[in-house]
Amino acid sequence: EIVLTQSPATLSLSPGERATLSCRASQSMNNIYLAWYQQRPGQAPRLLIYGASNRAAGIPDRFSGSGSGTDFTLTISNLEPEDFAMYYCQQRSKWLTFGGGTKVEI
Amino acid sequence: EVQLVQSGAEVKKPGESLKISCQTSGYNFNNYWIAWVRQMPGRGLEWVGIIYPGDSDTRYSPSFEDKVTISADKSTATAYLQWRNLKASDTAMYFCARPQGTDWDFEYWGQGTLVTVSS
Repeated sequence: EIVLTQSPATLSLSPGERATLSCRASQSMNNIYLAWYQQRPGQAPRLLIYGASNRAAGIPDRFSGSGSGTDFTLTISNLEPEDFAMYYCQQRSKWLTFGGGTKVEI
Repeated sequence: EVQLVQSGAEVKKPGESLKISCQTSGYNFNNYWIAWVRQMPGRGLEWVGIIYPGDSDTRYSPSFEDKVTISADKSTATAYLQWRNLKASDTAMYFCARPQGTDWDFEYWGQGTLVTVSS
């Protein structure tokens, strides 16, 4: 099983700032197997990024993904009020696992 | 429009059985995987298992193998998650999800079904 470790657990920022979220895998994997999701309170997760760097349909370009091997990053430039939420990375290289999540809070 | 609509909240006692559903529309049900995801109160997301309705190929997370059963009814385009012996630790929100294409990146989600198991 591939374990995904997300950091930090909580990120305290203000609207307009830049958020940098990390996801580290316990073993190296192909970029195409890494995705990022956003989950707002009381809602289902929403796919943001797939294949490490491809935005899903309808996702604003302030969301970007990067990384390779074991280290992946989600960047949210110019935070909007609706971006304050939980973020999870997910791998599908070996079965399916999620990271523990990062909360982006005001 | 692709839609996944889940059954309503359930309150059950330990030892009881339960089957929750995920009714789909707007696409060919046979051609896309449907997954189930658990979210315990205040916790993160966990994969339960996944089914390909076209041939009923079903895979379970090791954590859920032998604890739940996933099935699909092609005639109603509905996927199911079933328990035979509920425990208090099964209390959680359960989501169904469908990928964009053949890969397991999940673009479409149901609204969630809250399962509460309490004596």
